[in-house]
Amino acid sequence: DGGITQSPKYLFRKEGQNVTLSCEQNLNHDAMYWYRQDPGQGLRLIYYSQIVNDFQKGDIAEGYSVSREKKESFPLTVTSAQKNPTAFYLCASSFTLGEADTQYFGPGTRLTVL
Amino acid sequence: AQSVAQPEDQVNVAEGNPLTVKCTYSVSGNPYLFWYVQYPNRGLQFLLKYITGDNLVKGSYGFEAEFNKSQTSFHLKKPSALVSDSALYFCAVRDPYGNNRLAFGKGNQVVVIP
Repeated sequence: DGGITQSPKYLFRKEGQNVTLSCEQNLNHDAMYWYRQDPGQGLRLIYYSQIVNDFQKGDIAEGYSVSREKKESFPLTVTSAQKNPTAFYLCASSFTLGEADTQYFGPGTRLTVL
Repeated sequence: AQSVAQPEDQVNVAEGNPLTVKCTYSVSGNPYLFWYVQYPNRGLQFLLKYITGDNLVKGSYGFEAEFNKSQTSFHLKKPSALVSDSALYFCAVRDPYGNNRLAFGKGNQVVVIP
């Protein structure tokens, strides 16, 4: 987990609210990612970013939005359009999108909708 | 699309016995394969990866993995399991046709019995 921080660790959201999850890295990595983890389903990619001010949708981007204004930061907003947002959210980073590059993960944020 | 399969939901092993966690992959082109471990309510920790070269890859915490091209497998192994190895293990493969993002298996729960 070293080098990548996520906050908060636990987050509770009411129906209809937008919430933003923070992800910061000090590894000087260009690429950053957001994954969603549900029990028994592995990890699914939400968004990824190769460079500042650029990002692409992953497999399950609907109901989520991101920004990449700084190299170190890649916040994820879970909007009210996301129908089932309760999950464990993981941020990751790597030097580049290169095929041999290792992705390193943050400690995660557990989001619960009340 | 690139994919990995982890056929067993849970692996039970006695402490001190050899541990094997199975992974098979499906890729077009050269495979780039990764193993991660996750402890409860934590992020993923990188264990090892296969890029090219020697089929036996050594990683962190005494783990190793054997790449077998003919069987399209990348099984994770440890000669002598510890109780502290009890965790969730994920196999992943790079998708060179999906901007090199990672495709994860659903994970294997390993339980080491004292």
